[in-house]
This record gives sequence, structure tokens and C-alpha cells, in this order.
Amino acid sequence: NAGVTQTPKFQVLKTGQSMTLQCAQDMNHEYMSWYRQDPGMGLRLIHYSVGAGITDQGEVPNGYNVSRSTTEDFPLRLLSAAPSQTSVYFCASSYAYPDSEAFFGQGTRLTVV
Amino acid sequence: GQQLNQSPQSMFIQEGEDVSMNCTSSSIFNTWLWYKQDPGEGPVLLIALYKAGELTSNGRLTAQFGITRKDSFLNISASIPSDVGIYFCAGQDRNRDDKIIFGKGTRLHILP
Repeated sequence: NAGVTQTPKFQVLKTGQSMTLQCAQDMNHEYMSWYRQDPGMGLRLIHYSVGAGITDQGEVPNGYNVSRSTTEDFPLRLLSAAPSQTSVYFCASSYAYPDSEAFFGQGTRLTVV
Repeated sequence: GQQLNQSPQSMFIQEGEDVSMNCTSSSIFNTWLWYKQDPGEGPVLLIALYKAGELTSNGRLTAQFGITRKDSFLNISASIPSDVGIYFCAGQDRNRDDKIIFGKGTRLHILP
């Protein structure tokens, strides 16, 4: 059972480049989310989805797009990378109510130069 | 927006000591979660609390859901070296949406 798989693990981008961070889960979870983790800031919610075809914004959505065409996949797109988006990104998934346990991927460390 | 205040930010303790950390919120949650993150890994759930007043244990860990639904604490008894890491509290309001909001974490250091 792979759980939550994030790719790539590491990425360096130039300012203005675009890229997609991939997230896939094989647990048939309805709820998926993306967080960014910065030193001293904890985990901040970027976007989340309560099911295929449904997405919503979290605390820090600017500069990021998401889509949820299937239950399994929840990619995060950076349309025009900025140095402020240098961070570690985590994808998480969980069942919907009443189970709140979120399973996290191992993270993607992104550097924008 | 919803915010969680987690304290302390960091702790330095001797091996064998007990640890206590807490989390307070400006708004009500109906689910409180405690996670631990090891270096280079994603957070892993330690304890989930679903009911005000609930006290739950997981080995040496004990967590409580505050009666006001605006706070929670985590205790670790008889700390060991593998307890080192960052501990996060998280709150979720199932009546409003399914967003899970995290505190900024408590970094635990254990001195030999």
C-alpha cells in the first residue's frame, strides 16, 4: 500500500517558470489537501478538495492552482514561480467525516531562484 | 480567519522527563489532532480527539480536548530520545468545512 505519493522530492525552478507538483493516493480518500511548510510557520493550507470535481482555497492560495479530476490525484500548479514560493510542500489525504486522520506524503522541497 | 496558538515553540528537556504542550484557538473546533514530524518526513498522526472533554492515551502520550472546544494539550511521559521532533496540533470544524488548520509546532529537544 503506497499511501500518499508526492513527486518530485526535490525541485529547483527559475523565477517565472511553471511546474506541477504531483500527489496521488491509493486509499480511496475523498479529502485531499496541499500545505506548505516554512521555518517557524508550521503547516499552512494552500488548497483542499472534498471530492472529485470540488476544490476550495485555504489560507495561502495565491500563486497556486489545483484541480481534482479523479479521486486519486490532486496536482498543485505553480503558474509563474516566485522566490517567495520556496518551501517544502506536503500533500495529505483522509476519508471524509467522521474520520479525520490525514495521511501525509513525504514532501517536495522546492527552491525558486 | 481561524488561528491556532501552540506553545511552547521549543523545549529542551532531559531524557526521562515529562513533557507538556498546548494549543489554543480563537474559534471552536469539533476535532483536535496531534501530529509528530520527524526530520525529512511528513507529519504522522499521534492522537485524534472528537469530543469536548475527551482524554485519550496512546502509549506514553496523553491528549485532552478542552471543555470550551478552543484548546487541547498533549503530554508525553518519561521522554526518550526518539521523541525528538516537531509536534503539531491541528483543529478541524466538521460543521463548517473540512479544513484542517495547523499550529506552528513545538520543537522538542532531548538532552542526553
